Amino acid sequence: ILNVEQSPQSLHVQEGDSTNFTCSFPSSNFYALHWYRWETAKSPEALFVMTLNGDEKKKGRISATLNTKEGYSYLYIKGSQPEDSATYLCAYMKTSYDKVIFGPGTSLSVIP
Amino acid sequence: EAGVTQFPSHSVIEKGQTVTLRCDPISGHDNLYWYRRVMGKEIKFLLHFVKESKQDESGMPNNRFLAERTGGTYSTLKVQPAELEDSGVYFCASSQGVSGSRDEQFFGPGTRLTVL
Repeated sequence: ILNVEQSPQSLHVQEGDSTNFTCSFPSSNFYALHWYRWETAKSPEALFVMTLNGDEKKKGRISATLNTKEGYSYLYIKGSQPEDSATYLCAYMKTSYDKVIFGPGTSLSVIP
Repeated sequence: EAGVTQFPSHSVIEKGQTVTLRCDPISGHDNLYWYRRVMGKEIKFLLHFVKESKQDESGMPNNRFLAERTGGTYSTLKVQPAELEDSGVYFCASSQGVSGSRDEQFFGPGTRLTVL
């Protein structure tokens, strides 16, 4: 059984704080990892697609790293803003023909 | 450019009835995916079309669910007959298709299905 886990389940931070959360996945096989930002009642929005061990990607104040050998990815948000409040989802694929497996998400609330 | 659209946005039906959900992917996207989120749990994969062909339908829960993508454009997902446990949010996503699942997927807003 493949398990994609995310921690913490939820997080409350003050505006301006930097924060990070974790996505862990089976390290035995790896094809791709997607990060999404999801606001309730809206569509999940793609942040990053990560494919290589050691990948680091950045979009504005958000960045992500990938370690396929140990099976984890970190998402970092620098200087959190209230508009960053959302659920952050990771989604894992072990081979090119396998289905995408989503983690349960980390719910972030940024307090003004 | 228009994004992925889904219709209807909400549907409330009674157990035993039939419902058909529609997804219009981004024009030119060969890959189309259906997902659903039930009872606040993880988003679960249902199936994947490449153009009009079903690439992977391993996530379809049972034979009450039928997905089609005639002509490789829009797709429909029919639930017949609907059961209470089918309630949830059904998402559609599309991607361009050159790199398969390494391509960025663009999600639609979802259809919230409630079965009473």
